[in-house]
Amino acid sequence: AQSVTQPDIHITVSEGASLELRCNYSYGATPYLFWYVQSPGQGLQLLLKYFSGDTLVQGIKGFEAEFKRSQSSFNLRKPSVHWSDAAEYFCAVATTFSGGYNKLIFGAGTRLAVHP
Amino acid sequence: DTEVTQTPKHLVMGMTNKKSLKCEQHMGHRAMYWYKQKAKKPPELMFVYSYEKLSINESVPSRFSPECPNSSLLNLHLHALQPEDSALYLCASSQDPRGEQYFGPGTRLTVT
Repeated sequence: AQSVTQPDIHITVSEGASLELRCNYSYGATPYLFWYVQSPGQGLQLLLKYFSGDTLVQGIKGFEAEFKRSQSSFNLRKPSVHWSDAAEYFCAVATTFSGGYNKLIFGAGTRLAVHP
Repeated sequence: DTEVTQTPKHLVMGMTNKKSLKCEQHMGHRAMYWYKQKAKKPPELMFVYSYEKLSINESVPSRFSPECPNSSLLNLHLHALQPEDSALYLCASSQDPRGEQYFGPGTRLTVT
């Protein structure tokens, strides 16, 4: 069965430091992968997606992610974190139903705290 | 523009009430979704509408009744809810059933 694992429940970094959030997936075929960010009490915002092609994907707010098939990973990175990046981050893989419908399988999320 | 709007932002209802949640998008997306999110958990898919037809129902109790009046609107009718149904209800849409999903801000529902 398809699944997504985010090993880190909680991460704290200092403002200006670099960031890497880990994501491992289990999926038989070429996956569609996503990173979403959620501020408290808000909806999810799409940061970036990977469907195919270049394995290094650029997203919004200065984030990037690298797809590594050999490691079944899709880690999110940012070179310099801002206090406004404090939020919950979800990695997701799209699994396809018969009929071509996609269902997002989410990881448990990683809560990012940023120290001033 | 990748905006999905949801109303109301907050809703408090008793277990005998009937209420509705509304979701709207004007991006021309042909797939729309309802998710339920409990505190400190990821969203869980409830329903998928594709081209205004219900395509997926993730074994959701009948006290939740979705409706898609047109390609831009998605409603979720609520009746006889239980306190454990209290959650953040998120709507999302995508260009087609296989595209990336864009989420609305959610409706915070409290059942008393």
